[in-house]
Amino acid sequence: AQTVTQSQPEMSVQEAETVTLSCTYDTSESDYYLFWYKQPPSRQMILVIRQEAYKQQNATENRFSVNFQKAAKSFSLKISDSQLGDAAMYFCAYRSGHRDDKIIFGKGTRLHILP
Amino acid sequence: GAGVSQSPRYKVAKRGQDVALRCDPISGHVSLFWYQQALGQGPEFLTYFQNEAQLDKSGLPSDRFFAERPEGSVSTLKIQRTQQEDSAVYLCASSLAPRGDTEAFFGQGTRLTVV
Repeated sequence: AQTVTQSQPEMSVQEAETVTLSCTYDTSESDYYLFWYKQPPSRQMILVIRQEAYKQQNATENRFSVNFQKAAKSFSLKISDSQLGDAAMYFCAYRSGHRDDKIIFGKGTRLHILP
Repeated sequence: GAGVSQSPRYKVAKRGQDVALRCDPISGHVSLFWYQQALGQGPEFLTYFQNEAQLDKSGLPSDRFFAERPEGSVSTLKIQRTQQEDSAVYLCASSLAPRGDTEAFFGQGTRLTVV
């Protein structure tokens, strides 16, 4: 079975600084997708960034980028120029590419932005 | 509507009461997922529909939980004889196609409190 592990329950970063959230996963599949979701207090789960396992190039979306290390099964999220609006719970997630399978979430990291 | 809509946003139930939670997915979306999210935790998979067919209900915690999607659109999650451990946020998500690479869109969830 696939698992997703986030080892940092909480993190804090100064506004305008850079922060990296860690995630590791376990799978025996070769085709899969990895995601970072943001969940603000409104509870709306928002997709931040997505990485296809078959792509070697790390995904980037504006201030958000990932460091995808397939062999190490590591998928970290880097947020540059942190903004107050980035404060939220961040979830790392996995989804099989072979079928329409459920998304498996980690336990999350609560990110605080210090003004 | 433009997004996934869930109702009610909040529900308080007395222990032993039955509740029904509604999910309106994005129009035309084939796949629909239900998740349970305990306070401070990541979402846990409950069940999955492809159109009206319930293809995976492995995450339903007990036979008190029942979900349906009779016409392949709106879905209802029913919890019978609610217990305090059922208190959580229930999230619904939908995606356009039954493929792992299609984005899942989440509703804002229903916060259930059992007293």
